[in-house]
Amino acid sequence: DAKTTQPNSMESNEEEPVHLPCNHSTISGTDYIHWYRQLPSQGPEYVIHGLTSNVNNRMASLAIAEDRKSSTLILHRATLRDAAVYYCILRYLSGNTPLVFGKGTRLSVIA
Amino acid sequence: EPEVTQTPSHQVTQMGQEVILRCVPISNHLYFYWYRQILGQKVEFLVSFYNNEISEKSEIFDDQFSVERPDGSNFTLKIRSTKLEDSAMYFCASEGSSGVQETQYFGPGTRLLVL
Repeated sequence: DAKTTQPNSMESNEEEPVHLPCNHSTISGTDYIHWYRQLPSQGPEYVIHGLTSNVNNRMASLAIAEDRKSSTLILHRATLRDAAVYYCILRYLSGNTPLVFGKGTRLSVIA
Repeated sequence: EPEVTQTPSHQVTQMGQEVILRCVPISNHLYFYWYRQILGQKVEFLVSFYNNEISEKSEIFDDQFSVERPDGSNFTLKIRSTKLEDSAMYFCASEGSSGVQETQYFGPGTRLLVL
């Protein structure tokens, strides 16, 4: 499986933007970039995914580098409810395959 | 919004006992998964299931584990003879099948404690 590298932890002040980086230098042309998060004592939750272009949804934005070797998940205004572990996961084109979770980035949000 | 449900939320069992963890996936989904997360560790894939058979399994999913979709709605994980190291959170997930990049929806998990 293609590997991703994320910082172990990050901290943000409430109501400020948060940029969560992910490196995936060995990504192949058929890998999508997915982000999931896991709130305390809950199951993982889908956040966003993309292939080449930047993506926006109601939860977050995903900025993908031109060479696709890195990406950044952007939370525009962090709230206390966004405190979670965020996972950057590469997934093969065809989908319907298991997700391979790394250790992710633990985001703390300070009031 | 549709959601994946799991029962029980907590299960305590004695080593060597059989346990069955139950999941109700989202109704029109066709792909089903079990993952586990040992306390403080990564979420690990166990098994995927499609069209009434296992489509992929990890090294963790040995002969002590089995999965079943007995009635078209429930999706179960059975551990025949539990070991202390089976203590973990077990998450069920389901996914649609549009053929493009789908989203996996996870249940809230079952916390299994083997004594």
